[in-house]
Amino acid sequence: DTGVSQDPRHKITKRGQNVTFRCDPISEHNRLYWYRQTLGQGPEFLTYFQNEAQLEKSRLLSDRFSAERPKGSFSTLEIQRTEQGDSAMYLCASSLDRFGGASNSPLHFGNGTRLTVT
Amino acid sequence: GESVGLHLPTLSVQEGDNSIINCAYSNSASDYFIWYKQESGKGPQFIIDIRSNMDKRQGQRVTVLLNKTVKHLSLQIAATQPGDSAVYFCAEISGAGSYQLTFGKGTKLSVIP
Repeated sequence: DTGVSQDPRHKITKRGQNVTFRCDPISEHNRLYWYRQTLGQGPEFLTYFQNEAQLEKSRLLSDRFSAERPKGSFSTLEIQRTEQGDSAMYLCASSLDRFGGASNSPLHFGNGTRLTVT
Repeated sequence: GESVGLHLPTLSVQEGDNSIINCAYSNSASDYFIWYKQESGKGPQFIIDIRSNMDKRQGQRVTVLLNKTVKHLSLQIAATQPGDSAVYFCAEISGAGSYQLTFGKGTKLSVIP
C-alpha cells in the first residue's frame, strides 16, 4: 500500500502524559498536513509542511502541540501534558504540488490515530 | 466567519437510485473544492475535485457541480450502491495563498438495499 500511513492507529493515555504520533506520507509528496477530527465533525486544520519547513499553524495548535518533519519525509506530532479535550482522531494528509503557490491538488489522508485521554 | 456547510445532515436512498449531496460555502474567494468520502474508522477518501473556473466535472459515477453565483456545490452519485454508504464532506481552499482545507460537518448517506 503506497498511501499515507499513520502509527499508532489507537492510543489510550492518562491525562498529563505525553504522546507522539507518526505519519509517513506518499513518498513523492512534498506537502504534509495534520488535521484533527472529533466525532460528528469535519476535520480541522492544525499545521502544514512544505518539505521540512512548517509554513502554517492553526490557532488550534496550542503550545502543548509540536510537529516536526526533519528530513522532509515522515512527520511526528507530539502532544505534551495531554488533556481530556485532546481526545480526537488525528489525521495526516499529503499532497504533491509542482507549481508552488496555494495548494491546487487534492490532499490524500491516512486512516488516522485515534487518541483517548482518560 | 467564513465556513463550509451542508444543507442536509442525513440522506437515505434506495439502491440503484441517484444521490445528490449539497453543500453551501460562504467564502467567495474559494477557488478549489474537493469532495471526500469517509467510512467509519477510516480517513477521508478523495472522490473528485473542481476548480472555480469550472462549472461541472465528471468522474466514474460521480459528478460535481459548482454554482459560484449562489456559492453552491453538489455531488451527484449515479446508481447508488451499498458501498457508497458513508459520510460525505465538501471542503474548500480559499485563494490568496492559503493551504488550509476547510471542511463542513458532513452528510451521512445511507443506501437501502
